[in-house]
Amino acid sequence: SQQGEEDPQALSIQEGENATMNCSYKTSINNLQWYRQNSGRGLVHLILIRSNEREKHSGRLRVTLDTSKKSSSLLITASRAADTASYFCATDATSGYSTLTFGKGTMLLVSP
Amino acid sequence: DTAVSQTPKYLVTQMGNDKSIKCEQNLGHDTMYWYKQDSKKFLKIMFSYNNKELIINETVPNRFSPKSPDKAHLNLHINSLELGDSAVYFCASSRKGGSYNEQFFGPGTRLTVL
Repeated sequence: SQQGEEDPQALSIQEGENATMNCSYKTSINNLQWYRQNSGRGLVHLILIRSNEREKHSGRLRVTLDTSKKSSSLLITASRAADTASYFCATDATSGYSTLTFGKGTMLLVSP
Repeated sequence: DTAVSQTPKYLVTQMGNDKSIKCEQNLGHDTMYWYKQDSKKFLKIMFSYNNKELIINETVPNRFSPKSPDKAHLNLHINSLELGDSAVYFCASSRKGGSYNEQFFGPGTRLTVL
């Protein structure tokens, strides 16, 4: 069954604005990862947050994780047109071998 | 210097045909995967191999048969193709050992079954 559910399904903003995407999941996890997919391309890993972490930063990205609510958020600050892509959260509920369960993604459009 | 490569990028074929998609990674990873992404962009794991051995086999028709000749390659053979097999298929790889590893994806193979 599908684990992650991203919200919103689509987001349209202007360059310079912040973009926030949310992800909810159903079962206990070891870690949660965010990926970006540009149109017609493969997924690219952005950031991984472990179940015992609450917040993580990487450049203009900020990820939070609330295991009590089984939710995560991805914030992209000062967005650029090049950030236009689909963003997926993926949960890893296993140990030993990475087994990711992806959500349906949020399509982000950043207009110049 | 491509990390995970797939061939072909596009595959258009008739129903009932048999086709293969190849995947290679030069990252030295031990674990490789096949995912299927449908028209609504939902990405679902199909298979996972570690060191040439099958680790995960989700509920996939047995018309799909993965083959891993060595740990750098994981090919996907599909028999008797059906319309519903039309999708984008992604290969991915990750390091072995522990569940805190990111996955590296190939560019995808867009399969269209007519």
